[in-house]
Amino acid sequence: DQQVKQNSPSLSVQEGRISILNCDYTNSMFDYFLWYKKYPAEGPTFLISISSIKDKNEDGRFTVFLNKSAKHLSLHIVPSQPGDSAVYFCAASGGYQKVTFGTGTKLQVIP
Amino acid sequence: DVKVTQSSRYLVKRTGEKVFLECVQDMDHENMFWYRQDPGLGLRLIYFSYDVKMKEKGDIPEGYSVSREKKERFSLILESASTNQTSMYLCASSLVVRSGSYEQYFGPGTRLTVT
Repeated sequence: DQQVKQNSPSLSVQEGRISILNCDYTNSMFDYFLWYKKYPAEGPTFLISISSIKDKNEDGRFTVFLNKSAKHLSLHIVPSQPGDSAVYFCAASGGYQKVTFGTGTKLQVIP
Repeated sequence: DVKVTQSSRYLVKRTGEKVFLECVQDMDHENMFWYRQDPGLGLRLIYFSYDVKMKEKGDIPEGYSVSREKKERFSLILESASTNQTSMYLCASSLVVRSGSYEQYFGPGTRLTVT
């Protein structure tokens, strides 16, 4: 039972344009959400997070939006850069130390 | 700067062998985790530990065990390796928080092949 879903396995975007990565979850107990970025042959690195008491969090070019009623979150990258090409994982936590990860979306930013 | 290291980047083992994967973190984190990453399945939690000698099963613990004798070290053990355990294994650590979840810090991963 996949509680955190990333329905797009891959996404291609032109450099300078916006990248939008989507994530859906089914467990209403999740109250904290994170995005991780993973390059090949490296471990994932934390990118940005959001608590369920907020609907938006920004950090430079990265913004995460949370729609609790739809159980949906998205990551916006503006402007996209070739160095952003990586696999992006959405993750969710329910007030405990355990985190549930999605299946990942491979982003390719074309120069 | 948090550092999580894993004992091997690449490992090839035979079916039936006992396999040890070790992970060390240098930031005094209470929590440590073992995941496996497979194409199309994302990261799946095998086991985690929130304190020395404490462990909890994750989503896919079958065929694995863990050991945490010291705070900085968390070992994953494949009692009798099988080909379906061929995967990328990732270790992570994090602080304990009262609510929400601090980010996890990951090691570089161990690519295990079981033949």
